Amino acid sequence: DTEVTQTPKHLVMGMTNKKSLKCEQHMGHRAMYWYKQKAKKPPELMFVYSYEKLSINESVPSRFSPECPNSSLLNLHLHALQPEDSALYLCASRGTSGGGTDTQYFGPGTRLTVL
Amino acid sequence: AQTVTQSQPEMSVQEAETVTLSCTYDTSESDYYLFWYKQPPSRQMILVIRQEAYKQQNATENRFSVNFQKAAKSFSLKISDSQLGDAAMYFCAYRRNNNAGNMLTFGGGTRLMVKP
Repeated sequence: DTEVTQTPKHLVMGMTNKKSLKCEQHMGHRAMYWYKQKAKKPPELMFVYSYEKLSINESVPSRFSPECPNSSLLNLHLHALQPEDSALYLCASRGTSGGGTDTQYFGPGTRLTVL
Repeated sequence: AQTVTQSQPEMSVQEAETVTLSCTYDTSESDYYLFWYKQPPSRQMILVIRQEAYKQQNATENRFSVNFQKAAKSFSLKISDSQLGDAAMYFCAYRRNNNAGNMLTFGGGTRLMVKP
């Protein structure tokens, strides 16, 4: 089973709202990723968590705040977003031991619209 | 820095025919992985096929196969017996082995249309 789930599927929020995106996997993967994807473009890496610790932050604005409460769960907290932040937000996970450590598995994404 | 180039923004193929999507990459590394991901309109990025650079044999997954030319830094995807469900964006991706975070470098994507 290579399933990564994301909720919600769609989110519409105002620029003053606070919302969160959620990502979950039960494959025992210890590396998890957040990507932002604009239409017809490849995903852009935002954050990498390794063993529940933030290992990479690709200079993402502080209005995006990631959190990894446990090894199965990854959140992205959103606050004071701008309309240009509207995009598809993808979560991915990757195994860190044994077979399959080379491959990232993606969730279905959350379509975010900022009004 | 590594770069991945997909020179075909759009391709079309007749159902049941064969199509090849091209991908080239630039790296000075010798140990790396290459991937093809498919992203249908439903949005989910699905792994199609992966290739380890140290393996000379081209990877194959059912109707999908790659032509991996390490010296030429080329990694094309061949889809045989194309089906309507193959219509999607296809992204080629590179990952250096043991890089921090195991980050992927994506190409710009190729939109594949399948004509009935």
